[in-house]
Amino acid sequence: NAGVTQTPKFQVLKTGQSMTLQCAQDMNHNSMYWYRQDPGMGLRLIYYSASEGTTDKGEVPNGYNVSRLNKREFSLRLESAAPSQTSVYFCASSRGQGGYGYTFGSGTRLTVV
Amino acid sequence: AQSVTQPDIHITVSEGASLELRCNYSYGATPYLFWYVQSPGQGLQLLLKYFSGDTLVQGIKGFEAEFKRSQSSFNLRKPSVHWSDAAEYFCAVVPNSGNTPLVFGKGTRLSVIA
Repeated sequence: NAGVTQTPKFQVLKTGQSMTLQCAQDMNHNSMYWYRQDPGMGLRLIYYSASEGTTDKGEVPNGYNVSRLNKREFSLRLESAAPSQTSVYFCASSRGQGGYGYTFGSGTRLTVV
Repeated sequence: AQSVTQPDIHITVSEGASLELRCNYSYGATPYLFWYVQSPGQGLQLLLKYFSGDTLVQGIKGFEAEFKRSQSSFNLRKPSVHWSDAAEYFCAVVPNSGNTPLVFGKGTRLSVIA
């Protein structure tokens, strides 16, 4: 009954360091998403994967890369972290695109110093 | 620019009072419409959604929302607010009912006072 699992929950990075945020879902969903949440900005889409084997850029993709490792897992990588990437990151999944509701993970709070 | 607008950044209501949170969208065709709630430190939970048909939709936790095409609005309502409803609320749309990801509004933070 896990739903969408994100790791880690908290992370502090130094400017220039790299890291990968992990996301896994156990609902056999086809589509997965990465959003970032900043105060007063709502949620903004970074990247998404409509189905296994495909990835597409969202509204704010610069500085990030993604990998849809298999149907369950969708990772987000910061190659060279910057203070502007300090944010809360949410992974979500859905049965498909369009009118399906999303299931969200509990988030990763990332601070870049 | 096409967008989702939640005009109220922060609303405070008394426990037991009624609530209405506003949401407007600016897409040419009717989008799929959603409301999500986020409790502090948590992820987002789906409250309700509208695709077509009856313009008044019922959701979880006693919430409802009404779609008004003429006003491009999808406002969230609750007749009597409980202290546990204090959270952030996000309106979201799938533009033009297409096969694209959700676009979120910036959110409305709800505070509930005794």
